[in-house]
This record gives sequence, structure tokens and C-alpha cells, in this order.
Amino acid sequence: AQTVTQSQPEMSVQEAETVTLSCTYDTSESDYYLFWYKQPPSRQMILVIRQEAYKQQNATENRFSVNFQKAAKSFSLKISDSQLGDAAMYFCAYRSFGNEKLTFGTGTRLTIIP
Amino acid sequence: DAGVTQSPTHLIKTRGQQVTLRCSPKSGHDTVSWYQQALGQGPQFIFQYYEEEERQRGNFPDRFSGHQFPNYSSELNVNALLLGDSALYLCASSLEKGGVGGNTIYFGEGSWLTVV
Repeated sequence: AQTVTQSQPEMSVQEAETVTLSCTYDTSESDYYLFWYKQPPSRQMILVIRQEAYKQQNATENRFSVNFQKAAKSFSLKISDSQLGDAAMYFCAYRSFGNEKLTFGTGTRLTIIP
Repeated sequence: DAGVTQSPTHLIKTRGQQVTLRCSPKSGHDTVSWYQQALGQGPQFIFQYYEEEERQRGNFPDRFSGHQFPNYSSELNVNALLLGDSALYLCASSLEKGGVGGNTIYFGEGSWLTVV
């Protein structure tokens, strides 16, 4: 079974600064997907960024980028130019290839300091 | 284009009662999954429905059951409620047909269940 670990329960960053959220995972599979989801107080899970394991290039979506280290089974999220609207719970998630099930970590609560 | 919609938003039940939660998937989606998110935790996979059949199931007891209708909407039923069933229940939908499992999964805003 796959597991996802987020070792930072809480993080804070000054507005306009950069912050990195950590995630490690354990799997014996070679093909899979990794995701970062944002959950604001509205509770809806919003996809921030996704990474296919077969792609060596790190995914980037505007101010959000990942550092995917397949051999180390590490998948960190970098948020640049942090904005007040980035404040939320962030969940790292794993998904096997050909499977719709997501396995989530325990989350990191991100606070943005004005 | 409506996203994933869930009802009710909040509800309170007494131990031993039964509850039904409802989900309408995003337009065009045919696969529905349910997750339980306890306070301060990440979502845990309950089960998934595709073509009106339960296709996968997580580590949840038989008290948790579901159904998918021909229009792809879904219900989650929980019998003999326990205090520990208090959680946010999230519905997620995706499109299976024509995909290989890499399709984007969309979530609803959840149903918050409190068992007293």
C-alpha cells in the first residue's frame, strides 16, 4: 500500500516571500501521479498542481512549482510571491496509474503573514 | 458548467441513526468516489462507483454503503452511526471513459456530519 507523509503540520510565510512545503511518499510502483491540493476554509479541494512520475521535468503552474525527486520519493511544493489568498491547508496526494483513488497526506496549514 | 455538488451541507445525527449523503458529479463525469475527512486529517478513501457498481473500496466497515444511479449521481449511506463517524464527507468525480487514470479529479465542498 502507498503512504504519503507531510512532516510539517504548520508553516507560515511573509506575504510576497517564497515558501516550500514538503512531502514524501512510499510506493513500489513505477508509474503514478502526484498532486498538491489546496483546501481553503470553504472545504473544497482545489487542484494546485500535478506531476506524472514518468516526466523528469518538474511541473509549474504560475507561482506554484514542484521539486520531484523520484529516487528519493520526494515531492515538494514551492509557492513564490505568496499572497493572502494562498492561506489554506495543503495536501499532498498520490494516485496509481490506471486508478482513480487518491491517497492523501495529513496536510500542512499555511499561514500568510501580511 | 456546474461542478460537483453535495447535499446536505451540514447535518447532525444521533448515535445509532442512519444517514444518506448525496452527490451530483461534474457534468460529463461518470466516476464518483467518496472520502471521509476527520478533523485535522487528510481525506480517506471510502469507495468508488463506476457504471453503477462499486469498483474499489477502502478500509471502511460494511456500515458504509453506496449507490450510483444511471445519471451518475451517487449516495453514501452510513448505518448505526458512531461518534467516530463525525467528519467531512467529500465526493469526487472524474471521467473514466477514454482515459487511463490520469484524468483530473474534481471535489465537491463536502457534507459535514456531526454525530452526537
